[in-house]
Amino acid sequence: EPEVTQTPSHQVTQMGQEVILRCVPISNHLYFYWYRQILGQKVEFLVSFYNNEISEKSEIFDDQFSVERPDGSNFTLKIRSTKLEDSAMYFCASSGWRVQALGDQYFGPGTRLLVL
Amino acid sequence: DQQVKQNSPSLSVQEGRISILNCDYTNSMFDYFLWYKKYPAEGPTFLISISSIKDKNEDGRFTVFLNKSAKHLSLHIVPSQPGDSAVYFCAAKGGFQKLVFGTGTRLLVSP
Repeated sequence: EPEVTQTPSHQVTQMGQEVILRCVPISNHLYFYWYRQILGQKVEFLVSFYNNEISEKSEIFDDQFSVERPDGSNFTLKIRSTKLEDSAMYFCASSGWRVQALGDQYFGPGTRLLVL
Repeated sequence: DQQVKQNSPSLSVQEGRISILNCDYTNSMFDYFLWYKKYPAEGPTFLISISSIKDKNEDGRFTVFLNKSAKHLSLHIVPSQPGDSAVYFCAAKGGFQKLVFGTGTRLLVSP
């Protein structure tokens, strides 16, 4: 069964450093997303991406964040200068290879980011 | 942001019985609802979804019911199995693609 994959599974970084989280969405999906879950809190939406541009973003997704689809398979989230409060589990998701399933988002296993 | 609420943090059920997980929402613009199952240190696994034009959707042991007037949805699992023990999240979508998640309900199915 097709699945979303994410690398790395864990990332430890120093405050102020740049990190890039990588995702390979399900093949033929058209929409891509990043969510995060801070320990003990809800899963929260960061950004959605369609047709090589951001289609929606939350207030969390400020200028420190950027997304990119550098080739036909990868989807990346970059945090330019990490802060302590960026420590969270980051989930990539994809959806939409058929109209009826536009709403069904499939999630990857996540990258646990720890900022020291 | 309390647009999607799961008021029961936990639920214990015996194997073979029905599990009923509940979810309430406040935003009448939501038009699509999903249930996810999540194990610790893993990503949410999609289970079942329902459009706001329906009131019921069934897939194997999982059935989701939607009561739009009450802004309430529920997930029924029957029969429950020990492998169903996990945290269950409901999520809602309105307009674009952003999903709004509830806080989750931890289900424990005992043999």
